[in-house]
Amino acid sequence: QQQVKQSPQSLIVQKGGISIINCAYENTAFDYFPWYQQFPGKGPALLIAIRPDVSEKKEGRFTISFNKSAKQFSLHIMDSQPGDSATYFCAASKDDYKLSFGAGTTVTVRA
Amino acid sequence: EPEVTQTPSHQVTQMGQEVILRCVPISNHLYFYWYRQILGQKVEFLVSFYNNEISEKSEIFDDQFSVERPDGSNFTLKIRSTKLEDSAMYFCASRRTGVSEQYFGPGTRLTVT
Repeated sequence: QQQVKQSPQSLIVQKGGISIINCAYENTAFDYFPWYQQFPGKGPALLIAIRPDVSEKKEGRFTISFNKSAKQFSLHIMDSQPGDSATYFCAASKDDYKLSFGAGTTVTVRA
Repeated sequence: EPEVTQTPSHQVTQMGQEVILRCVPISNHLYFYWYRQILGQKVEFLVSFYNNEISEKSEIFDDQFSVERPDGSNFTLKIRSTKLEDSAMYFCASRRTGVSEQYFGPGTRLTVT
């Protein structure tokens, strides 16, 4: 059972462009939606997270948009930089706190 | 800034051998997790641990797996008899009481030959 679906699998963006990654979830009991950034050979690093009581959260160049009725959330990376090239995972959890991850999106930022 | 640490960074073992993967969670965290990531795939939950007990485990976490907090700082994952399909990155994570944020270690790459 794939509880969190993530798309696209990969994307290429020019430096300064916007990267958009989408996730959809099935379990309406989920109440915490983090995004993790992973560089090759490293562990996932918490980037930004949102709860369903807000529709948007922004931290620097990273914004999460959340649509509770559609059961979707997305990550926007503004002014993408080569250092943002990484794999991004969305995830979701409920009160048991175990994270269900999406399949990941590999972002490549071209200089 | 406190970090989750894991050792070893890479472990090569033969099929059927026992391996122990070690983690040192962030010091004031009381909830601990193991996840695994098969190469090129998503991160999957294995087990959660609190107050010296398993809170929840996935169907992946069968009788070949066990976890232990042998002292006040370490958290270990043992695989009793490794299989080829156990080859993966194993990540330890921890969190504080009352918050959802989980912090991951750098992982142990387990290669079973």
